[in-house]
Amino acid sequence: DQQVKQNSPSLSVQEGRISILNCDYTNSMFDYFLWYKKYPAEGPTFLISISSIKDKNEDGRFTVFLNKSAKHLSLHIVPSQPGDSAVYFCAARQGAQKLVFGQGTRLTINP
Amino acid sequence: DVKVTQSSRYLVKRTGEKVFLECVQDMDHENMFWYRQDPGLGLRLIYFSYDVKMKEKGDIPEGYSVSREKKERFSLILESASTNQTSMYLCASSFQNVARGYTFGSGTRLTVV
Repeated sequence: DQQVKQNSPSLSVQEGRISILNCDYTNSMFDYFLWYKKYPAEGPTFLISISSIKDKNEDGRFTVFLNKSAKHLSLHIVPSQPGDSAVYFCAARQGAQKLVFGQGTRLTINP
Repeated sequence: DVKVTQSSRYLVKRTGEKVFLECVQDMDHENMFWYRQDPGLGLRLIYFSYDVKMKEKGDIPEGYSVSREKKERFSLILESASTNQTSMYLCASSFQNVARGYTFGSGTRLTVV
């Protein structure tokens, strides 16, 4: 039972345009959401997070939006750069100590 | 620079071997985790530990065990390696409240032949 779902395995975007990565969840008890970025042969690195009491959090080129009623969050990257090409995982906090991860979306930024 | 260090980047083992994957963190984190990453399945939790000598099963514990004798070290053990355990294994650690996120190691690519 996949509680956190990223339904797009891959996404290709032109350099300079907006990248939008989506994530859906089923458990209304999740209270904190995070995005991680992973390059090949490296561990995932933390990118940005949002508490369930907010609907938007921004950090430079990265913005995360949360729609609690739809149980949906998205990550916007503007403008997209070649170095953004990576696999992106969304995650949700379950209890105080565990994160549940989605399947990941491979983002490719084309020059 | 804070770190989670996994002892091997690449490992090749034979079916039936006992395999040890080691992970060490230097951040004094209470929690430590073992995940495996497989294409299309994302990161799946195998085991985690929230204190020395404490452990809890994750979503896919079958065929694995863990050991945490010291706060900084968390070991994953494959009792009898099988080909379906070929995967990327990721160790992570965090403070007690994971709202500050996990810090991941670089991963161990294990191939069982």
